Amino acid sequence: SQQGEEDPQALSIQEGENATMNCSYKTSINNLQWYRQNSGRGLVHLILIRSNEREKHSGRLRVTLDTSKKSSSLLITASRAADTASYFCATDVEGGSEKLVFGKGTKLTVNP
Amino acid sequence: DGGITQSPKYLFRKEGQNVTLSCEQNLNHDAMYWYRQDPGQGLRLIYYSQIVNDFQKGDIAEGYSVSREKKESFPLTVTSAQKNPTAFYLCASGQGAGKLFFGSGTQLSVL
Repeated sequence: SQQGEEDPQALSIQEGENATMNCSYKTSINNLQWYRQNSGRGLVHLILIRSNEREKHSGRLRVTLDTSKKSSSLLITASRAADTASYFCATDVEGGSEKLVFGKGTKLTVNP
Repeated sequence: DGGITQSPKYLFRKEGQNVTLSCEQNLNHDAMYWYRQDPGQGLRLIYYSQIVNDFQKGDIAEGYSVSREKKESFPLTVTSAQKNPTAFYLCASGQGAGKLFFGSGTQLSVL
């Protein structure tokens, strides 16, 4: 079952611009995570935000969480060509097991 | 170096053949996971294990089998019952409800 859904499916921007990706989910969660995947590689964890947090920063990354709307956004500021990758949100299920459920991802292309 | 290792990177399966994908971690994590990724798609959970000698089916377990005899190892067997095995397979490990560490993946193709 797909818990999270990212939007847009694909995003193309110029270097230096900001990139915003959104994630919506269906059930109550303990936390929400964002991962990055370069083509043909494994996923790399970017940031985790807990259900009682509203915003979190890590370097050029800013994540927000709105549990009332069951949505999250990932903002990458001052994007670089090296940010080109697919980005996935992942959620656990409140009161459930430790497994994560991933969305289908947003494919970000940053043009030099 | 601590990490999670998948092998082989590429694997080819003949009709009717079972193949096994290896996943080893030295992060001392209790939980390990197998995900399948089809082109342009997200990750779907095949099996997961939260402790040695125990594992649970994920969303698409049919045609797959696993074992967890050691904390460090969680091999995945793609059986002949899996009629559409071509995909990118990702193994991950984690501790508690925190972040997952992923291997670099195995691309399985059918000859």
